[in-house]
Amino acid sequence: ILNVEQSPQSLHVQEGDSTNFTCSFPSSNFYALHWYRWETAKSPEALFVMTLNGDEKKKGRISATLNTKEGYSYLYIKGSQPEDSATYLCAFKAGNTPLVFGKGTRLSVIA
Amino acid sequence: DTAVSQTPKYLVTQMGNDKSIKCEQNLGHDTMYWYKQDSKKFLKIMFSYNNKELIINETVPNRFSPKSPDKAHLNLHINSLELGDSAVYFCASSPKLGGADTQYFGPGTRLTVL
Repeated sequence: ILNVEQSPQSLHVQEGDSTNFTCSFPSSNFYALHWYRWETAKSPEALFVMTLNGDEKKKGRISATLNTKEGYSYLYIKGSQPEDSATYLCAFKAGNTPLVFGKGTRLSVIA
Repeated sequence: DTAVSQTPKYLVTQMGNDKSIKCEQNLGHDTMYWYKQDSKKFLKIMFSYNNKELIINETVPNRFSPKSPDKAHLNLHINSLELGDSAVYFCASSPKLGGADTQYFGPGTRLTVL
């Protein structure tokens, strides 16, 4: 059974703070790592898909890094804004298997 | 335009009933999925279809039967509903089977079994 762990489970930050959270996944048979942003009462929306060790992706104030050898990815948010409040999900894909999702990190940005 | 749509959004029904949830995507994708968000908030894959063919069935009870009349539609029929079936069900699609493609999710259907 593939295990995808995310930490912390929840996080409260002040507007303007930068923050980061972690996704851990099996380091063997890696194929891809996805990050999704999931606002309450909406659908998960894709942020990044990462496939190469050492990959770094950026979209505005949000960026992600990937270490497939040790099995982790970090998501960074610079200068958090209230609209960043959401649950951030990572999902791991190994070989021909379906995506396995973590439980997510719930971020609340306080104005 | 909604890329992945699901109906209904909410479904409240009695134990033992049979119900269906419909999903449609207008993205031209080949692959569609059903996920269940369980009580612990995990998103777990139930089924995956590629060009109307079943690819993945993740040990889901036989009471759940997906049907794909064409590659733009993947419906989920549930027989003899049980209390434990209460959950949010998400449909998703991706361009093709395999690969590292992003999945596009529908808005979810909240099923409550009384």
